Amino acid sequence: TQLLEQSPQFLSIQEGENLTVYCNSSSVFSSLQWYRQEPGEGPVLLVTVVTGGEVKKLKRLTFQFGDARKDSSLHITAAQPGDTGLYLCAGADTGGFKTIFGAGTRLFVKA
Amino acid sequence: NAGVMQNPRHLVRRRGQEARLRCSPMKGHSHVYWYRQLPEEGLKFMVYLQKENIIDESGMPKERFSAEFPKEGPSILRIQQVVRGDSAAYFCASSPGVGPTNYGYTFGSGTRLTVV
Repeated sequence: TQLLEQSPQFLSIQEGENLTVYCNSSSVFSSLQWYRQEPGEGPVLLVTVVTGGEVKKLKRLTFQFGDARKDSSLHITAAQPGDTGLYLCAGADTGGFKTIFGAGTRLFVKA
Repeated sequence: NAGVMQNPRHLVRRRGQEARLRCSPMKGHSHVYWYRQLPEEGLKFMVYLQKENIIDESGMPKERFSAEFPKEGPSILRIQQVVRGDSAAYFCASSPGVGPTNYGYTFGSGTRLTVV
């Protein structure tokens, strides 16, 4: 059974601070995605990484896929209150049909 | 350019009743996925469907749960004889092609089922 573990589970920081969220597994994934979910809404896709070692930037967010395609990280620079939310990593199994999700990191950025 | 539409947003059912959750995928998307989310948890895969076909239902309980995606109309997730443990948020996602690698998933806003 493929599992994705996210850490930390909860993070509360001040506006302007930097943070990194981790997503780890013992399994290899064909791709890995990061989503952000706000209360009462569905997850919104932020990025998909496919190649081992790949780095993608989305404004103040930097996503990295591990060389072995088993782990990923999300780094936020100068966090803002608008970054508050639940960040979910999700991995596609090698067949590509099913995506499994981690339990998420709940981020709270204080003004 | 509507996204994935789920209805109802909130559904209250008494124990033993049936719950029907509907999902209309994005225009042009023929692949539908259902997930369940409990409070403070991630999303658990339930079922993956294409038009008129169930491709993978490995995450769906064998009893009381069923899903369909007919040729015409929305995808339906049906829960018969609901129990309190079925209370959760149910999310539907769609994609234009197979798997998320090249296409990504678009999620609906979910249906929050409460069993009383």
